[in-house]
Amino acid sequence: GIQVEQSPPDLILQEGANSTLRCNFSDSVNNLQWFHQNPWGQLINLFYIPSGTKQNGRLSATTVATERYSLLYISSSQTTDSGVYFCAVVQGGSEKLVFGKGTKLTVNP
Amino acid sequence: NAGVTQTPKFRILKIGQSMTLQCAQDMNHNYMYWYRQDPGMGLKLIYYSVGAGITDKGEVPNGYNVSRSTTEDFPLRLELAAPSQTSVYFCAVGRTNQEQYFGPGTRLTVT
Repeated sequence: GIQVEQSPPDLILQEGANSTLRCNFSDSVNNLQWFHQNPWGQLINLFYIPSGTKQNGRLSATTVATERYSLLYISSSQTTDSGVYFCAVVQGGSEKLVFGKGTKLTVNP
Repeated sequence: NAGVTQTPKFRILKIGQSMTLQCAQDMNHNYMYWYRQDPGMGLKLIYYSVGAGITDKGEVPNGYNVSRSTTEDFPLRLELAAPSQTSVYFCAVGRTNQEQYFGPGTRLTVT
């Protein structure tokens, strides 16, 4: 099956810093989503982005499907951005979402 | 609209007991999914359904059963609970080639 690798596994920032999270996947995909899992365990949809670039406030994402990677940018980070960020993909011909292991982000005040 | 709801929020089971985790949606999405998340890990697919009466196995189906009699509901059954089933369980809904939406999760401990 498709492999999803996220980097870095852990990231510690000071409030106000910018960061880039990466997601590599091993095969073509029909669906790619970024989620934020907050400290209470809730999964929050950030982006549905099988290709192209999207922006939502301080967050933006870019997926280059031909090169099999996606990037999540967080600018001017805030303590509320802390949590785990997951990338998940659906391989072509499937409807099953496959998750990476996540990037744990800690933003210190 | 409630979106995707799950009950209970928390549950402690003894080894060998059985229980049903409930998932309901009011989003009219045809696909429904059950995932489990072990500590420090991503989510893994247990079972999924493409519509009422149709279910299929995911990556980790052993020890679980599902049924889908309506579009709205997709219960997950644990017949003989084992410590390895201690996890957080998430239900999700979606449509073909569209994003999935997740419920708040059920935290299950088996002791």
